[in-house]
Amino acid sequence: AQSVTQPDIHITVSEGASLELRCNYSYGATPYLFWYVQSPGQGLQLLLKYFSGDTLVQGIKGFEAEFKRSQSSFNLRKPSVHWSDAAEYFCAVGAPTYSGAGSYQLTFGKGTKLSVIP
Amino acid sequence: EAQVTQNPRYLITVTGKKLTVTCSQNMNHEYMSWYRQDPGLGLRQIYYSMNVEVTDKGDVPEGYKVSRKEKRNFPLILESPSPNQTSLYFCASASLQGSNTEAFFGQGTRLTVV
Repeated sequence: AQSVTQPDIHITVSEGASLELRCNYSYGATPYLFWYVQSPGQGLQLLLKYFSGDTLVQGIKGFEAEFKRSQSSFNLRKPSVHWSDAAEYFCAVGAPTYSGAGSYQLTFGKGTKLSVIP
Repeated sequence: EAQVTQNPRYLITVTGKKLTVTCSQNMNHEYMSWYRQDPGLGLRQIYYSMNVEVTDKGDVPEGYKVSRKEKRNFPLILESPSPNQTSLYFCASASLQGSNTEAFFGQGTRLTVV
């Protein structure tokens, strides 16, 4: 079964600084990879996704992520953080199961909470 | 507007009193899923469904039931809720067609079992 590890539980950065949130996955083939953001009291919003092709993926709100197969990683980056980016970020892997055609399972990491210092 | 709708948003119930949290999507998605979110544990999958009448257990199915009688609806049933099921619950749906497999989430249901 696939798994996702987000090594950092909580990260604090200053506004305007660069950001990198780490995500490592475990899966036997190339998975679908996602980053979601959850603002306080809100549901999850998709930031970006990787299915295949270009390993550098651009998302909304100025975020990007790079798929590195050799490192089983899909780290999220932003060159300059804004105070409104304070939220919790979830990396997820979507992979087909083998219980039937079209089987699909989405597994989330435990999340990284981002705090931004003005 | 494409959306996943959960009801209710907030619920307080007593131990042992059966409850149902509804989830409905208007995107004709085949895949639907329930998650619970707990501090420090992230989102854990409870049950998922690939299509009508096709459901399967996720990582934490104990104490929950689901049904998928219609494509758009995927209710979560707690037959006998217990305090350890106090959590924030999210429903999600996704298409299984082509590569458009991003999941859309509802706004969440905060359940407290006393």
